[in-house]
Amino acid sequence: DGGITQSPKYLFRKEGQNVTLSCEQNLNHDAMYWYRQDPGQGLRLIYYSQIVNDFQKGDIAEGYSVSREKKESFPLTVTSAQKNPTAFYLCASSRPGIYNEQFFGPGTRLTVL
Amino acid sequence: DQQVKQNSPSLSVQEGRISILNCDYTNSMFDYFLWYKKYPAEGPTFLISISSIKDKNEDGRFTVFLNKSAKHLSLHIVPSQPGDSAVYFCAAFANAGGTSYGKLTFGQGTILTVHP
Repeated sequence: DGGITQSPKYLFRKEGQNVTLSCEQNLNHDAMYWYRQDPGQGLRLIYYSQIVNDFQKGDIAEGYSVSREKKESFPLTVTSAQKNPTAFYLCASSRPGIYNEQFFGPGTRLTVL
Repeated sequence: DQQVKQNSPSLSVQEGRISILNCDYTNSMFDYFLWYKKYPAEGPTFLISISSIKDKNEDGRFTVFLNKSAKHLSLHIVPSQPGDSAVYFCAAFANAGGTSYGKLTFGQGTILTVHP
C-alpha cells in the first residue's frame, strides 16, 4: 500500500529549539517537496528535491533546512531562525518527469510555544 | 505577488445543487491546472486537472473549465453532496522552459460547505 507518511501528526516545541519533521514515501517517486500552509493562505513551497543528494530552495526557504540522502526520505528541519514556525507542514512527491501532479502526505501541525 | 487567486474565501451550497468554485491567474506561462480537495488536518488530495490545450475536462460529478483568454478556471460540482464540504485549492503549473522541472503555485483556497 504505497503512500507518503509524515510523523508526528502534532508536534510542540519551545521557542529557540530546532525541530525535524519526517517525510517518507514508498511510491518510488524521484521528486519530493515541502510546503507550509497558514490559515487563509495557499500552500507555499519551502524546499524541493528532484533527486537524491540534490535540493533547491522554494519561495520561503529562510529558516529551514533539508537533506535528501535517500530517495524515500526528505526530512525538514525548522530552525530557530524561522520567525513564525507555527504552521501546518505538508510533504509531497511526484512521479519521475511528471512534476505537475503531486501527491501529499497527511501533514504535521507544528506549534512553537 | 499572488499569481493564482481564489477570490471567494467561502461558498455555501444546498445539497443537490451546483457548486462553482473560481480561480484566476496572472502568469501566461502556466500550462497545466489542478484542483485539490483538503479536509482539516489532512493533506490535499488531487481531484481533477486540465491542460492548457483544452477548455474542459470532466470526471464524474466534477468538471473543470478553462478560459485562457480570461486567465480563469472554474470547478463545477454537480450534484453537490455534504461529503464535498472541504477546502478546495486551485493550483497552476509552468514548465521551466525545456528543463524537466516546474513548480506548482497554489491559490488561497475556498471553503465549500454543502448543506443537507
